Amino acid sequence: DTEVTQTPKHLVMGMTNKKSLKCEQHMGHRAMYWYKQKAKKPPELMFVYSYEKLSINESVPSRFSPECPNSSLLNLHLHALQPEDSALYLCASSQGPLQYFGPGTRLTVL
Amino acid sequence: DQQVKQNSPSLSVQEGRISILNCDYTNSMFDYFLWYKKYPAEGPTFLISISSIKDKNEDGRFTVFLNKSAKHLSLHIVPSQPGDSAVYFCAASARNYGQNFVFGPGTRLSVLP
Repeated sequence: DTEVTQTPKHLVMGMTNKKSLKCEQHMGHRAMYWYKQKAKKPPELMFVYSYEKLSINESVPSRFSPECPNSSLLNLHLHALQPEDSALYLCASSQGPLQYFGPGTRLTVL
Repeated sequence: DQQVKQNSPSLSVQEGRISILNCDYTNSMFDYFLWYKKYPAEGPTFLISISSIKDKNEDGRFTVFLNKSAKHLSLHIVPSQPGDSAVYFCAASARNYGQNFVFGPGTRLSVLP
């Protein structure tokens, strides 16, 4: 099983809303990632969790708040987002040098 | 400063012919390289990888070549099929970076029937 799942698939939210993106993997990987991808651009790293601890935060604004409740789950809490935050949000996991990506959540901020 | 470059934003190839996608990197600390394929509105799918101790890795129709002295790698797809039409990302990582993967900007491949 090399699957990373993400919910929801699509999300539309207003600038005052609070929502969460969820990611799950059952491959026993101990590193999990959040990426943001805008159209025609490569994935841009946001956060890395290693053994359930935040190890990399690429200067992401505080309106994005990651959480790793256990080794299989990764959440991204969203609050007071801006329209420019609209993008495809990708979750990935890895054990060693190979990353597996989820299908992404298409987020639209109105 | 882009550490991983894919200088061709797009490439069109006739079905059955060879597709060659190129990638250049600047950081000599990178020691593992990956190619991902991405369809619109989907997550990237791992295609093939190569470690810096090798200069070639082959998997079916896909072969990746690594030239460490030139800091260049290429992905060969032969024969190309219409289903190969997608955006291809080159990515690199280094043990010293921990889990930080660096992606190139991608090349859009169109395989024409």
